[in-house]
Amino acid sequence: GDSVTQMEGPVTLSEEAFLTINCTYTATGYPSLFWYVQYPGEGLQLLLKATKADDKGSNKGFEATYRKETTSFHLEKGSVQVSDSAVYFCALGGSYIPTFGRGTSLIVHP
Amino acid sequence: GAVVSQHPSWVICKSGTSVKIECRSLDFQATTMFWYRQFPKQSLMLMATSNEGSKATYEQGVEKDKFLINHASLTLSTLTVTSAHPEDSSFYICSAGPGTASYEQYFGPGTRLTVT
Repeated sequence: GDSVTQMEGPVTLSEEAFLTINCTYTATGYPSLFWYVQYPGEGLQLLLKATKADDKGSNKGFEATYRKETTSFHLEKGSVQVSDSAVYFCALGGSYIPTFGRGTSLIVHP
Repeated sequence: GAVVSQHPSWVICKSGTSVKIECRSLDFQATTMFWYRQFPKQSLMLMATSNEGSKATYEQGVEKDKFLINHASLTLSTLTVTSAHPEDSSFYICSAGPGTASYEQYFGPGTRLTVT
């Protein structure tokens, strides 16, 4: 069945550092791919998405490219801020029910 | 963008009582909504799929008699935790997507349930 694998956290960075959170997936067909962000005590917010191979989703300085050849959708940001501290979930939605990764906690220190 | 609300945002109840959580899609109609449970520092666990006008579909291991789901209209689904116990304490999140094929989900802010 469909599955999503994310890198283990927490990821701890200093402000203005470069961020990469790895995400790979297994799916039949051609799913859409998503990154969601969850701030402490809140629900999930859609951060960005890509619906087909080679698409790049971007939002708030975050980017992720849908790589079909490596079945990956890694999240990147060039310069993180303290306010980016949150849990990030990679997800795929090509079937009826979305599939989530386990989440990666990001902690950014001033 | 699409907005999903939940009410209440947090609730404390005593063991043995029932608690109802509402999930509303504010600016779109949703024939299908999803209910998740999230334990601290863990991912979302899909509990059930709520279908407007018909019975909910529960995931394996989820007690349908304990977690009652009603999808009364195209904008409202409710989750009732019956005879709550401390182990039911958790963060409950709903999501919905416009249309019947929910490739893109919009999430409610979550409801923190504490059973004492």
